[in-house]
Amino acid sequence: EVQLAESGGGLAQPGRSLRLSCAASGFTFDDYAMHWVRQGPGKGLEWVSGISWNSGSTGYADSVKGRFTISRDNAKNSLYLQMNSLRVEDTAFYYCAKGVGTMVRGVIDSWGQGILVTVSS
Amino acid sequence: QSVLTQPPSASGTPGQRVIISCSGSSSNIGSNYVYWYQQLPGTAPKLLISRNSQRPSGVPDRFSGSKSGTSASLAISGLRSEDEADYYCAAWDDSLSAWVFGGGTKLTVL
Repeated sequence: EVQLAESGGGLAQPGRSLRLSCAASGFTFDDYAMHWVRQGPGKGLEWVSGISWNSGSTGYADSVKGRFTISRDNAKNSLYLQMNSLRVEDTAFYYCAKGVGTMVRGVIDSWGQGILVTVSS
Repeated sequence: QSVLTQPPSASGTPGQRVIISCSGSSSNIGSNYVYWYQQLPGTAPKLLISRNSQRPSGVPDRFSGSKSGTSASLAISGLRSEDEADYYCAAWDDSLSAWVFGGGTKLTVL
């Protein structure tokens, strides 16, 4: 069974940084692309970023490009999201998600339970 | 504003058939598969329909998907109270090189 467990969320002031982590288990981590998707309070889903199986390809939503960096450590079965220059509008639940196949454009088929990031002064 | 357009709400009575629409453009729905997710209250999304019309293992055949041109739709027949949830369409966008979602449709079972 696929299990994805996010950590590292919490409260941050505008302009500060946070790093999210996702521990994956139940599947062969380095066979699949991985993603971060967020959902603001009472809002819809927004794809944030994706990374291919070997980190050779990454993608970002325009809203986070230049501020967020996705990375993975296949030896540790872990996915990360470094979030810099945080804005109030980055406040959301952040989901770690698994793709189908090795590339970022493969669909997301499994999700973690999500972790809350609150950006406020 | 979401790249894909969905109605914010839909409703039906038990046993009815409900259709939720999703409109996009040539760079997303028009040239790529459409996927649908179901998000029950307080839970993570679940993949409901894959590649326009395929149901992943475990998804009841009451759920069906279709696509025509730059639009897609999700049909739910034999509506049940447990279908009350938010439904999202998604597609890869070739111009943005990004996944795009619809704004979501909140389904109420009356």
